[in-house]
Amino acid sequence: SAVISQKPSRDICQRGTSLTIQCQVDSQVTMMFWYRQQPGQSLTLIATANQGSEATYESGFVIDKFPISRPNLTFSTLTVSNMSPEDSSIYLCSVERPAGGLHEQYFGPGTRLTVT
Amino acid sequence: AQSVTQLDSQVPVFEEAPVELRCNYSSSVSVYLFWYVQYPNQGLQLLLKYLSGSTLVKGINGFEAEFNKSQTSFHLRKPSVHISDTAEYFCAVSEAGAGGYQKVTFGTGTKLQVIP
Repeated sequence: SAVISQKPSRDICQRGTSLTIQCQVDSQVTMMFWYRQQPGQSLTLIATANQGSEATYESGFVIDKFPISRPNLTFSTLTVSNMSPEDSSIYLCSVERPAGGLHEQYFGPGTRLTVT
Repeated sequence: AQSVTQLDSQVPVFEEAPVELRCNYSSSVSVYLFWYVQYPNQGLQLLLKYLSGSTLVKGINGFEAEFNKSQTSFHLRKPSVHISDTAEYFCAVSEAGAGGYQKVTFGTGTKLQVIP
C-alpha cells in the first residue's frame, strides 16, 4: 500500500489568486497523478507527473493553469493558478504501486478548494 | 477509448437489506475493473478489483462484485448493509496508458444511503 498526505486539506481562496497543493508519499514512486473532483461529479485526471520530466496533461488541462512540480520520488505539487469559482473542487493526488502484476493506484485524502 | 457508466446516482436502502450498485463499461481492449469507496470528507479507498480469473471478486467490508464480459458489467453487491456503508462508490476501469502506466477512468459515482 501507500500512505499519501496532502496539504492543505481545505482552503477558501479569492478569485484571481493561486494555490499550491502539496502531496507527500511515504516511499518512492515513479508515477504520481493529479485528479480533480468537481462538486457532484467523478474524478477527472488532470496530469501525470513522472520524476525528472515534464508533466503530461490530459485534454482540457494546460500547464499555465495547473503547473506541476515533481522534485523527487516522494513529493509533488499542483498549483491552481488565477483561480475562478469554477476551480472549486476536490483535488486528489494519487500514486501507482505494483500489486499482483498490476500497478494499483492509491489516493490521498484530497484538498477541498473553494474559490469565492 | 474506455468509459464507465453508473446508472444510479443515488441508492437508498434500509439497514440489513441487500444492495446492488450497477456499473457498465466499454473498452476496446482488455481492462481491469475496480470499485472504490469514498467516505464523507475522505479520499478514495479501494474496495475490490478484477484483474483476471474468477469472475466473482470479494473485497473488503463484505462487498463483492461479478465481472460479466458478455454484458460488460461489474456490479457491486452486499447481502446486508450497515449504516457505516453510507458513502459514495465509484466504479473504475483501467487500461495501459501511453506512458506505460494504467490509465484509470472513473464512473460518476453512486451515493449509497443506508437508512436506519
